[in-house]
Amino acid sequence: DVVMTQSPLSLPVTLGQPASISCRSSQSLVYSDGNTYLNWFQQRPGQSPRRLIYKVSNRDSGVPDRFSGSGSGTDFTLKISRVEAEDVGVYYCMQGTHWPMTFGQGTKVEIK
Amino acid sequence: QVHLVQSGAEVKKPGASVKVSCQASGYTFTSYGISWVRQAPGQGLEWMGWISAHDGNTNYSPKIQGRVTMTTDTSTGTAYMELRSLRSDDTAVYYCARDLWLLGGDHELYYWGQGTLVTVSS
Repeated sequence: DVVMTQSPLSLPVTLGQPASISCRSSQSLVYSDGNTYLNWFQQRPGQSPRRLIYKVSNRDSGVPDRFSGSGSGTDFTLKISRVEAEDVGVYYCMQGTHWPMTFGQGTKVEIK
Repeated sequence: QVHLVQSGAEVKKPGASVKVSCQASGYTFTSYGISWVRQAPGQGLEWMGWISAHDGNTNYSPKIQGRVTMTTDTSTGTAYMELRSLRSDDTAVYYCARDLWLLGGDHELYYWGQGTLVTVSS
């Protein structure tokens, strides 16, 4: 299975400050069709996961533009330009390129 | 709008089976698939498998293949996940999520159910 390694696993952030989460895969995530199937999910406490970003850098409808995704190959990053209180939760990267689909361990974002 | 509504919490004994349902609405059920993802208490997300509501094709994670069966009822727009020979480490919240109808690299996972807590305890 492709291993997805996130860092850090815990991220205390001051309100209004930026945050960055790294996700590294054990194999390249470029699929045979040329796309890179790397998604980011947010899970707020007590809620179902919510997709934020698909195919590395495409922000989903309704997702604030302070969230952005980047990367290629095996290295990917989720950035929050200015953290707000509603951003508290656990963030997961997920790859669909290789079977079976796998998730990172999750990064817990909390307010300092 | 799209909704996925799951069945209620279950408590099962080790060795028993559980069947969780996921009722879809707001879209053409047979144009998509359903993936099932579980989350043990305080842990991360684990993909369990996928079923196409278009043609019934399934694909299961090797970790649970042999103990899981995913089905759909296209007449009611409902997906089911049955897990057998339950163990204590199957205790988790089980989620359904809308996926594409054809298995490939792309997995939609945009719409999720509310989750079903399955507790396995003697």
